[in-house]
Amino acid sequence: AIRMTQSPSSFSASTGDRVTITCRASQTVSSYLAWYQQKPGKAPELLIYAASTLQSGVPSRFSGSGSGTDFALTISCLQSEDFATYFCEQYYSYPPTFGQGTKLEIK
Amino acid sequence: QLLESGGDLAQPGGSLGLSCVVSGFTFSSYAMGWVRRAPGKGLEWVSSVSGSGATTYYADSVKDRFIISRDNSKNTLYLQMSSLRVEDTALYHCARSVRSSGWDAAFDLWGQGTMVTVSS
Repeated sequence: AIRMTQSPSSFSASTGDRVTITCRASQTVSSYLAWYQQKPGKAPELLIYAASTLQSGVPSRFSGSGSGTDFALTISCLQSEDFATYFCEQYYSYPPTFGQGTKLEIK
Repeated sequence: QLLESGGDLAQPGGSLGLSCVVSGFTFSSYAMGWVRRAPGKGLEWVSSVSGSGATTYYADSVKDRFIISRDNSKNTLYLQMSSLRVEDTALYHCARSVRSSGWDAAFDLWGQGTMVTVSS
């Protein structure tokens, strides 16, 4: 199975900051990569699919980039509601696999 | 909307059945899946089923122990779990695929999950 490694595992930031979370695949996943946001006790929400396509209804401050093995999720101006855990997922190779998550906390 | 139920405490080697009732979209038009999150760990894909129910896919960790199925007339997704192990302890989410078939797609709609605890 393809291993997805996110970094950092957790970090603190302030409202208004620009933050980038990275996700590295152990082998190429082309652009078959999604990003999800999950808040405690809530269902995960799809933010980005196909590496850079913004899911309908997701604020434009979220963006995704990358292809092959290296990907990034950028939040251009952090809002209070963005503090959550973020996961990447590859669906290029069976079985689909997720990263371990990046917890974004308020500084 | 996706609403899971059936999570409970089960003994190792035991069985449990999960359900996910959906509303608000044409259920049969979408592949569906189960994704779990063990305490303190990340998300793990468990299983997926095509919109028609004809094709199923499983993670190696649950193959031959879990069975995914769906009843499109009842807008309900199921996961029958048997030979449960301690490591199956997790919050189980049902999720809607962006495609009608296959495992190779993102999930664009998720339920809040139902907790399965396997312990003696």
